Amino acid sequence: AQSVTQPDIHITVSEGASLELRCNYSYGATPYLFWYVQSPGQGLQLLLKYFSGDTLVQGIKGFEAEFKRSQSSFNLRKPSVHWSDAAEYFCAVGADTGNQFYFGTGTSLTVIP
Amino acid sequence: DAGITQSPRHKVTETGTPVTLRCHQTENHRYMYWYRQDPGHGLRLIHYSYGVKDTDKGEVSDGYSVSRSKTEDFLLTLESATSSQTSVYFCAITSSGNTIYFGEGSWLTVV
Repeated sequence: AQSVTQPDIHITVSEGASLELRCNYSYGATPYLFWYVQSPGQGLQLLLKYFSGDTLVQGIKGFEAEFKRSQSSFNLRKPSVHWSDAAEYFCAVGADTGNQFYFGTGTSLTVIP
Repeated sequence: DAGITQSPRHKVTETGTPVTLRCHQTENHRYMYWYRQDPGHGLRLIHYSYGVKDTDKGEVSDGYSVSRSKTEDFLLTLESATSSQTSVYFCAITSSGNTIYFGEGSWLTVV
């Protein structure tokens, strides 16, 4: 069965520090992979996506993610976190048919000054 | 911006009353979805539609019905609202690029 695991429910980092949010997936075929960010009271905004090709993908707001097939992972990274990055982050897997998606339960990020 | 509008954005209703949430899209996308978001559960699919009058159930469809009489509108109805349906509801569409985009959400409180 398809599933997405985000092992960290909550992470706290200092402003300016690096960030890595973990995502592991279970999917039988080649996955489409996504990261979304949700600020309080808002909808989910697409940060980046991976369909094929280069396994390191760049997204908006300075985020990047690396697809590692051998580890079934798609971890999100940012070299230097800003206070405005405090939000909820969701990893998702999409079926290659393009109409089924599976979401992790999210990681809440707190940024301290 | 995927051109998705949800209404109402916020609603408080009483137990046992019917509630309809509306999702409107402006870009003629074929697939539309309704999710609910609850702490600790992430996003869970309620129903989805793959065309006018073509809908199917998701993992948490009990107590919900949907309708899609026009490409641009996807309605979610709670026939008799219960406190367990207090949640944030998100409408979504799938673009031609196999990416899902979300609306701004509808906050529903059942008292």
